[in-house]
Amino acid sequence: AQKITQTQPGMFVQEKEAVTLDCTYDTSDQSYGLFWYKQPSSGEMIFLIYQGSYDEQNATEGRYSLNFQKARKSANLVISASQLGDSAMYFCAMRGTAGGTSYGKLTFGQGTILTVHP
Amino acid sequence: EAGVVQSPRYKIIEKKQPVAFWCNPISGHNTLYWYRQNLGQGPELLIRYENEEAVDDSQLPKDRFSAERLKGVDSTLKIQPAELGDSAVYLCASSLVQLAGAYNEQFFGPGTRLTVL
Repeated sequence: AQKITQTQPGMFVQEKEAVTLDCTYDTSDQSYGLFWYKQPSSGEMIFLIYQGSYDEQNATEGRYSLNFQKARKSANLVISASQLGDSAMYFCAMRGTAGGTSYGKLTFGQGTILTVHP
Repeated sequence: EAGVVQSPRYKIIEKKQPVAFWCNPISGHNTLYWYRQNLGQGPELLIRYENEEAVDDSQLPKDRFSAERLKGVDSTLKIQPAELGDSAVYLCASSLVQLAGAYNEQFFGPGTRLTVL
């Protein structure tokens, strides 16, 4: 079974500053993928960034980067230069690869509400 | 390119009534997912289809929930009868799974917010 833990129910950040959202995971799969999604108040899940368990370099997508520490089983999201539009719920998620017990479905954490102050 | 379409966006019903949600995935996507998201929590998978076959429905409460994906395109999720605890957002997602790797991005629809009174 897979488990995602997000220990920060809410985070506040000043506009233009960087913020780190924490995510730890647990899985018995050898190969897996880690995702971050943003969910604004409109409700739609927006894909932000992906990290494969065998990727040697941390993933980056524009202002988003994923601080992947495999030995510690953590996959923290770093948002640089925060903007007011970044205010939303953020979810960390995991999926196993074929042959594993959790192939196909995404397992989500409970989310972190990010509020960006002007 | 059109995204995942869901309808209705909102639904309010009395308990014990039936309700149905509809999802139209992104054109060409072979895999379709239904998730349920309770307030303040992350989504949880209810059922996953590969084409028209339900390949993972282990989390679907089969006594009252049913789903179908005719012709491997649109899908309908039904609850009959609805209970108070079914109040949640029901999200549909789709992906194009060509290789059995971890990176098969799931695209989500806007969801249907169900309120059971």
